[in-house]
Amino acid sequence: EIVLTQSPATLSLSPGERATLSCRASQSVSSYLAWYQQKPGQAPRLLIYDASNRATGIPARFSGSGSGTDFTLTISSLEPEDFAVYYCQQRSNWPRVTWTFGQGTKVEIK
Amino acid sequence: EVQLVESGGGLVQPGGSLRLSCAASGFTFSSYDMHWVRQATGKGLEWVSAIGTAGDTYYPGSVKGRFTISRENAKNSLYLQMNSLRAGDTAVYYCARVAMHSGVVENYFDYWGQGTLVTVSS
Repeated sequence: EIVLTQSPATLSLSPGERATLSCRASQSVSSYLAWYQQKPGQAPRLLIYDASNRATGIPARFSGSGSGTDFTLTISSLEPEDFAVYYCQQRSNWPRVTWTFGQGTKVEIK
Repeated sequence: EVQLVESGGGLVQPGGSLRLSCAASGFTFSSYDMHWVRQATGKGLEWVSAIGTAGDTYYPGSVKGRFTISRENAKNSLYLQMNSLRAGDTAVYYCARVAMHSGVVENYFDYWGQGTLVTVSS
């Protein structure tokens, strides 16, 4: 079963700074990795799918990269509304169908 | 506009049962795979169950044999029957839609409901 490990657990940055979040898979997931943003009291929101494609309405400051086992979500210049928790997610079909999330990275105001 | 609205959460004793519902609107419900995902307070997201358009179902080991996902396309509704509930099942439960592009089922969720809180406690 594929495990997703996100790092760091917490990222303390100031508005305007660049944020780099990592997600590492225990086995290759090809490019089938998604990123979500979640703010307190809200449902997750899709940001990036298939590793590097921005979802509808997502600002260009969000970008995703990577393939295989190593993935990165980059926020080029943090806006006040970007301080939130970010999760990566993948689906695997072996040995059984499983959908897995990383444990999350919290981006907090420094 | 796509909307997913969960209901049915509440307080239940350990060993008890609860049935969650998710009312879908704004899209052709019968054409989409649907899932339940939960989140304990202050914790991360955990996948709970999935159902395909043909009624095929999938569960992680943590809930298999205790939870049953189902759908009623005529009512645009998704359900989660939860039996033998434990304290560890306490969480907000979200229903989520799997994205689909040009008829191809994708590997991520494009819409989520706002969630319903389930508390398992005596």
